Amino acid sequence: GQNIDQPTEMTATEGAIVQINCTYQTSGFNGLFWYQQHAGEAPTFLSYNVLDGLEEKGRFSSFLSRSKGYSYLLLKELQMKDSASYLCAVDFNDYKLSFGAGTTVTVRA
Amino acid sequence: GAVVSQHPSWVICKSGTSVKIECRSLDFQATTMFWYRQFPKQSLMLMATSNEGSKATYEQGVEKDKFLINHASLTLSTLTVTSAHPEDSSFYICSARLSDKNNEQFFGPGTRLTVL
Repeated sequence: GQNIDQPTEMTATEGAIVQINCTYQTSGFNGLFWYQQHAGEAPTFLSYNVLDGLEEKGRFSSFLSRSKGYSYLLLKELQMKDSASYLCAVDFNDYKLSFGAGTTVTVRA
Repeated sequence: GAVVSQHPSWVICKSGTSVKIECRSLDFQATTMFWYRQFPKQSLMLMATSNEGSKATYEQGVEKDKFLINHASLTLSTLTVTSAHPEDSSFYICSARLSDKNNEQFFGPGTRLTVL
């Protein structure tokens, strides 16, 4: 089976930085995705990493280390609208995604 | 950007009835679509891979006779929950892969199924 771990909850202050870690053990690896999901809605794409290193996209950055089975999503200059669940997902075989349980981020004023 | 729609967005049905959920890629063709299920406060669980023109492939533990998938065209996949029971109540989400763009999958808005 696939095993993807991420923290359950994180809280941060508006304007701060938060780092969400994700570790994975999967039968295969074709890339790692981060998605944002608001309650009752479908996930929306944030980032994709297939090679080691940091991918930066505006206020969001994602890092991957394949040898360590580790990734993180960095959210900078937090805004209230960033309060959501953040899902780490691994493409383990032919575009099939296995998702972590999600990290609920709460941004406080 | 690529848009995936689902219909209906929510449905309430009686136990024992069947419910059909449609997933459409609106502005692109998708040879492969995926069906996920999400229970409250849990993550998405892949149920099956829907392939245009061929049979769907199901993940371990998912009953293919209960969750019927038909990928009738390059823009439409349907999931039918047959003889639904209260334990089938869940959030069903489909996704479609845009093959020429970073393996990114685009998700539909989801269908909330409640079985009474």
